[in-house]
Amino acid sequence: GAVVSQHPSWVICKSGTSVKIECRSLDFQATTMFWYRQFPKQSLMLMATSNEGSKATYEQGVEKDKFLINHASLTLSTLTVTSAHPEDSSFYICSAQTGAGNTIYFGEGSWLTVV
Amino acid sequence: SQQGEEDPQALSIQEGENATMNCSYKTSINNLQWYRQNSGRGLVHLILIRSNEREKHSGRLRVTLDTSKKSSSLLITASRAADTASYFCATRSTGNQFYFGTGTSLTVIP
Repeated sequence: GAVVSQHPSWVICKSGTSVKIECRSLDFQATTMFWYRQFPKQSLMLMATSNEGSKATYEQGVEKDKFLINHASLTLSTLTVTSAHPEDSSFYICSAQTGAGNTIYFGEGSWLTVV
Repeated sequence: SQQGEEDPQALSIQEGENATMNCSYKTSINNLQWYRQNSGRGLVHLILIRSNEREKHSGRLRVTLDTSKKSSSLLITASRAADTASYFCATRSTGNQFYFGTGTSLTVIP
């Protein structure tokens, strides 16, 4: 079946640095990808929707200059957390939508710890 | 916010008992889905119920949907220790964004 891969699964970075998380659709072309954030013991919150070749649409309250999303190809979207702070530490999950049938697949998530 | 709410927030039961969790949502939907998440892991899709359906079964799972009340319930029968996880309902917008409920943390005691 379709698989969405996230990399890295775990990342630790220092405050003030930037970190990039990749979301890949391994065996299908994803016209749209979504990024979610989840704090411990809380629900998933949609951050942004990215369409291949265009700018991402951010949910209210999500800083687009802080969370840079690039969807340069039909199989890859990246989320870059810029100038990371400890409060950015969270679990980030992406999902990808196939063009046909609009099926959505979720990645396994990426743990970010900012120290 | 389009986030739904679930109750209870946490549920602890003995193995073999049934577990029921409820979800309320805010918008009109085409379908509602339930997901499971083990601690620190990704989401596992459990079941989808369409807006024109009232009840759906899958193995030990039973889902109901009441669109007039904008609510759904997930029943897990004959629970097992391996069912311990967080369970989320999710509604899907016309733009295909998912809006998740607040989740229920289920603990099944062996």
